[in-house]
Amino acid sequence: DQQVKQNSPSLSVQEGRISILNCDYTNSMFDYFLWYKKYPAEGPTFLISISSIKDKNEDGRFTVFLNKSAKHLSLHIVPSQPGDSAVYFCAASAGAGAQKLVFGQGTRLTINP
Amino acid sequence: DAGVIQSPRHEVTEMGQEVTLRCKPISGHNSLFWYRQTMMRGLELLIYFNNNVPIDDSGMPEDRFSAKMPNASFSTLKIQPSEPRDSAVYFCASSQGQDYGYTFGSGTRLTVV
Repeated sequence: DQQVKQNSPSLSVQEGRISILNCDYTNSMFDYFLWYKKYPAEGPTFLISISSIKDKNEDGRFTVFLNKSAKHLSLHIVPSQPGDSAVYFCAASAGAGAQKLVFGQGTRLTINP
Repeated sequence: DAGVIQSPRHEVTEMGQEVTLRCKPISGHNSLFWYRQTMMRGLELLIYFNNNVPIDDSGMPEDRFSAKMPNASFSTLKIQPSEPRDSAVYFCASSQGQDYGYTFGSGTRLTVV
């Protein structure tokens, strides 16, 4: 039972364009969402998060959008740079103070020069 | 701070052997997590500890897997006996609270032949 799903295993985007990574979840108890970025042979690193009381959070080139009614979130990267090529994981947790994160399968983003 | 330290980085072992993976969390972090990454299932939570106490081990596949956290600066994940299907990358992560996300180690790539 995959509670967090990233249906696109891979995505290829031209440098300078917008990258949009998508994530769907099934558990309505989830109230905190995060994106992690992972380079080969390294652990995932925290990128950006959003609480369910918001529908948008922005940090530089990265913006996360949350649509609670659709149980969908997305990560926008604008403009995309070659260094953004990595695997991106969506994660979610439920309940105040909860720390247990449920991760999606990941999407491999490739930025082409 | 050196971050979350995992050892070994790579482990190749024969089926039936005991395998022990080690983790040193970031000093001051009160939660520690063990995850397993596979192509099919992405990042799966195996077990997590709060203040050295196991909170949720529902992700531990079976009795062959066990984890301990004898003190705030050390944890082990043991597989006995190991099987080829245990081959994966095992990540340890630590956290000081939900709003801060996790800090992952670089992982241990386990191959059971």
